[in-house]
Amino acid sequence: DGGITQSPKYLFRKEGQNVTLSCEQNLNHDAMYWYRQDPGQGLRLIYYSQIVNDFQKGDIAEGYSVSREKKESFPLTVTSAQKNPTAFYLCASTEGVGRTEAFFGQGTRLTVV
Amino acid sequence: GESVGLHLPTLSVQEGDNSIINCAYSNSASDYFIWYKQESGKGPQFIIDIRSNMDKRQGQRVTVLLNKTVKHLSLQIAATQPGDSAVYFCAEREGSARQLTFGSGTQLTVLP
Repeated sequence: DGGITQSPKYLFRKEGQNVTLSCEQNLNHDAMYWYRQDPGQGLRLIYYSQIVNDFQKGDIAEGYSVSREKKESFPLTVTSAQKNPTAFYLCASTEGVGRTEAFFGQGTRLTVV
Repeated sequence: GESVGLHLPTLSVQEGDNSIINCAYSNSASDYFIWYKQESGKGPQFIIDIRSNMDKRQGQRVTVLLNKTVKHLSLQIAATQPGDSAVYFCAEREGSARQLTFGSGTQLTVLP
């Protein structure tokens, strides 16, 4: 079945560490997105990518970095510069930027310990 | 920037009753709207969408109504079931914009 896979489901980070969240899709979608979700909040866009080797900052990109070396993969690195990284992170994809609905992965819950 | 908001953060309904979840949006240029369902600890799932050239669209047990005059969107769930308990988000997009803008969500609880 086609879909989006995020891993790991739970991730713990120590202060000052960088961690990388994985997102893989086999939907052959061009565009991929990373969102952050805090308790009782909506989804806020961190980064998005329209095509391979291209990505753009979203509304809350500070403290995060991404890469898009392959169409199927869009990993997100939460750097030590992100002061409040504890949140639920969601990866999504669409056929193209601005095209129809977004399909979401099951999320990664990141906790700073 | 523009934002999408919800009237009520929580909604409780009896099993078998109909549910209505409301959403107000402020960007009059938005032309595409989606409802998502998110169960605890999971990613959002697409429920139904509607384009601005329509005012009503029906799916299986769900109906979305769009009132562009007052910039209001609603999701109606018929014969609500325990499995419908979740957080429901509306989202909107303007034209070929890069992203969806999400509301903060409504927690729907179905009572036995």
